[in-house]
Amino acid sequence: DAKTTQPNSMESNEEEPVHLPCNHSTISGTDYIHWYRQLPSQGPEYVIHGLTSNVNNRMASLAIAEDRKSSTLILHRATLRDAAVYYCILRSSSNFGNEKLTFGTGTRLTIIP
Amino acid sequence: DVKVTQSSRYLVKRTGEKVFLECVQDMDHENMFWYRQDPGLGLRLIYFSYDVKMKEKGDIPEGYSVSREKKERFSLILESASTNQTSMYLCASSLEFLAGLGNEQFFGPGTRLTVL
Repeated sequence: DAKTTQPNSMESNEEEPVHLPCNHSTISGTDYIHWYRQLPSQGPEYVIHGLTSNVNNRMASLAIAEDRKSSTLILHRATLRDAAVYYCILRSSSNFGNEKLTFGTGTRLTIIP
Repeated sequence: DVKVTQSSRYLVKRTGEKVFLECVQDMDHENMFWYRQDPGLGLRLIYFSYDVKMKEKGDIPEGYSVSREKKERFSLILESASTNQTSMYLCASSLEFLAGLGNEQFFGPGTRLTVL
């Protein structure tokens, strides 16, 4: 499986935008980029996913580099409730029934009031 | 609201005991998963299931077995618990895989198992 690299931790001030980077230099053409986050004492939750184009939803935006070797999860206005561990995951679509998610250790985001 | 529930939030067992961890989802999902989470190691997949009575080994199946007799329920079994199985166990479910869709996994709150 192609691997991702994320910083271990980041800090951001409340109500400011946060950019969480992810490197995936060995990504293949059929790999989707998924982001999940895990709030304290909870299971992970889906945030967003994309293939080539930038994506937006109610939670966040995903900016994907033109060569797809990196991506950035953008929280437009961080709140204290966004403090969590954020996981960047590559998910192949090349095999039917490929359901596995391989979680790394993610980025622990701390929001400063 | 979609929901994955796990039978216990906290569980304490003794070495050698047989342990059952239960997971139930109410979303009619085909796929269900069991992960364990340990500090510094992230989440690791133990077993998953595509359908009733079907199971597939994940990355760390040793010491575990699973059962899926009904679509909504997926059980993780520790035949003879050991101290190195002390961990947070997370269950998840998702719809049948379709390329291009999110196929997001919905996770339960986790069971923190301590084996003494």
